[in-house]
Amino acid sequence: KQEVTQIPAALSVPEGENLVLNCSFTDSAIYNLQWFRQDPGKGLTSLLLIQSSQREQTSGRLNASLDKSSGRSTLYIAASQPGDSATYLCAVRGGDSSYKLIFGSGTRLLVRP
Amino acid sequence: KAGVTQTPRYLIKTRGQQVTLSCSPISGHRSVSWYQQTPGQGLQFLFEYFSETQRNKGNFPGRFSGRQFSNSRSEMNVSTLELGDSALYLCASSRRDTQYFGPGTRLTVL
Repeated sequence: KQEVTQIPAALSVPEGENLVLNCSFTDSAIYNLQWFRQDPGKGLTSLLLIQSSQREQTSGRLNASLDKSSGRSTLYIAASQPGDSATYLCAVRGGDSSYKLIFGSGTRLLVRP
Repeated sequence: KAGVTQTPRYLIKTRGQQVTLSCSPISGHRSVSWYQQTPGQGLQFLFEYFSETQRNKGNFPGRFSGRQFSNSRSEMNVSTLELGDSALYLCASSRRDTQYFGPGTRLTVL
């Protein structure tokens, strides 16, 4: 049974700092991994998607890496801003045809001005 | 292009009642998935529909059911509501690999 873990559960950093969020999963037979952002009381916004055959994806100040063999992914946020404050969730999609996602519990990020 | 829409956005029910939530996917998307989000359990997969067929189902009791219509719109129904059903219910639509989530329906059971 796939399990997804995110560390740390919460993180508080000063503005401008570079930071790394971690995600690990127990079953390496994944189709892809997706990072989401969730603002309080809102839905999820997709940030980056990494296919199982890829090593990393970049979008602006965000970079996500995937090491499928070790069951790990990281989300790197460069030059953090207060607007980055949100909960970040990673989710893996299994190797079947379904779109079912297994989510981690998230990292709650606070970027202090 | 319009995003995923969910109605209603907020709902208050009492124990024992039933509720129906609606989700309209992005135009052209044939897959709709439903998730329940609670502070204690996080985001949990409920079920997925593709072209009106349930393709996958999570580990929830039979009180939770859903369906998808020919225009890809989906509904989920919860019967005999319990206090523990209070949650944010999110739906997502997919066409290729990325899933796009709606704003959710906040259900409160009193």
